[in-house]
Amino acid sequence: AIQLTQSPSSLSASVGDRVTITCRASQGISTALAWYQQKPGKPPVLLIYVASSLQSGVPSRFSGSGSGTDFTLTISSLQPEDFATYYCQQFNSYPLTFGQGTRLEIK
Amino acid sequence: QVQLVQSGGELRKTGASVKVSCKASGYTFTTSGMNWVRQAPGQGLEWMGWISPYNGKTKSAQKFEGRVTMTTDTSTNTAYMELRSLTSDDTAVYFCARDVTGDFLGWFDPWGQGTLVTVSS
Repeated sequence: AIQLTQSPSSLSASVGDRVTITCRASQGISTALAWYQQKPGKPPVLLIYVASSLQSGVPSRFSGSGSGTDFTLTISSLQPEDFATYYCQQFNSYPLTFGQGTRLEIK
Repeated sequence: QVQLVQSGGELRKTGASVKVSCKASGYTFTTSGMNWVRQAPGQGLEWMGWISPYNGKTKSAQKFEGRVTMTTDTSTNTAYMELRSLTSDDTAVYFCARDVTGDFLGWFDPWGQGTLVTVSS
C-alpha cells in the first residue's frame, strides 16, 4: 500500500499567516492526490483534487501543487474558519490511503 | 444538491454485527461509486471499501476482507455497509463518501454526516 506522510503533524499559526502543509507519498502517484479539511464533529470536506484543482465553492486562498511523491497544500492568508485538521488522500492505486492528518491550531 | 444522509448511531456488543445505511440524493445514484471510511476516536481516516451501484462490484481494504459486506439498493438510492464480528477496535464514526469519478480510483465528495458505532462488552 502507498503510505502518505504529512508534515507537520500539528501547526500553530495566526490569522493572516501563510501556511504550507506537505504530503509525501512512499512511491510516485502522478497527480492522483486530494486534500480535505475536517472540523471537530463534522465530516471531511473536499478542498483540492488532482493535486491542484480547486473544488467549486472553496475559497481561492487554498491552493495545491506537486506531482510524483511530493505535494503541498497552501493557505495564503489564514482565516479564523481555517483552523481545522487537513488530510491528503491518494487515488493512484488500491488500496486508497490517507495521510495521518495535520492539525492547524490558533497561535 | 448532492447529499448523503446516514443512519443513526448504533451500540453493539462484542461479536455482533452492525449495518449502516447511506441514502443518496441530488445525482444519478448508479453513475458514481460509494466509499466507506471510518475514523476511530481522536484518530485519522481509514478507507474501508468501495462499491459500484451500477454493477455491484466491490473492493475492500485487506484488513476488512471477509468481515465487511457492502451493498446498494438502486430502488431507494441507498448504500449499506455491514461489519461483522465487532470488537472494541471497531468503535468509530463510519462515513459514506461518493466516489466522484465512478471508477473506484477517485476522490470523495460529498461525505455523509457520519454514524457513530460503539462496541462494548
